[in-house]
Amino acid sequence: QVQLVQSGAEVKRPGASVKVSCKASGSTFTNYALHWVRQAPGQRLEWIGWINAANGNTKYSQKFQARVTITKDTSATTAYMELSSLRSEDTAVYYCARFRFFDWSNDIWGQGTMVTVSS
Amino acid sequence: QSALTQPPSASGSPGQSVTISCTGTSSDVGGYSYVSWYQQHPGKAPKLMIYEVIKRPSGVPDRFSGSKSGNTASLTVSGLQAEDEADYYCSSYAGGNNLVFGGGTKLTVL
Repeated sequence: QVQLVQSGAEVKRPGASVKVSCKASGSTFTNYALHWVRQAPGQRLEWIGWINAANGNTKYSQKFQARVTITKDTSATTAYMELSSLRSEDTAVYYCARFRFFDWSNDIWGQGTMVTVSS
Repeated sequence: QSALTQPPSASGSPGQSVTISCTGTSSDVGGYSYVSWYQQHPGKAPKLMIYEVIKRPSGVPDRFSGSKSGNTASLTVSGLQAEDEADYYCSSYAGGNNLVFGGGTKLTVL
């Protein structure tokens, strides 16, 4: 059974960067892709981007294109999402989710990582 | 990409049916059969309920069903139960390897 376990909560100053990790277990890491999605308090889900764990190819939402980098460490079966130039509006829970290419759905989700941006 | 449009709220009594809509454009919902629905309880991660417009993952009750007409997809919950009270989000492939989510609908079981 595939499990995604994310890193712990972070508190950052405006202008800083944050790097959230997502460790996969229970299946061959390079067989799938991972999406990153965020949810500000009381707000909707917002797609950030995704990475193909097989080849490292990435795709980012236009909104985050200039500030986000998604990477992977295959040996550690872990994906990472780094968001730079943080502002208060980036305060949110950040989720990773297994992405199924064949139907564009996310069937397994991490527990979420709370990122708080505050001066 | 703009968010898909969902009603902010929906409600129904136990045993009743309720339908939640998700309206996009011909560039997302209307152009592809890759609409998914997620259920999210407070403080929890989303859970996949419907994929490819009408398909249910193993373990999801058949009280949940999906459909699509033109640029609007719909999720119907039949035989409402107290545990169905949650937020529901639709998502759709939006071309160019992009994904878009809806604004979310809070379902209340009266």
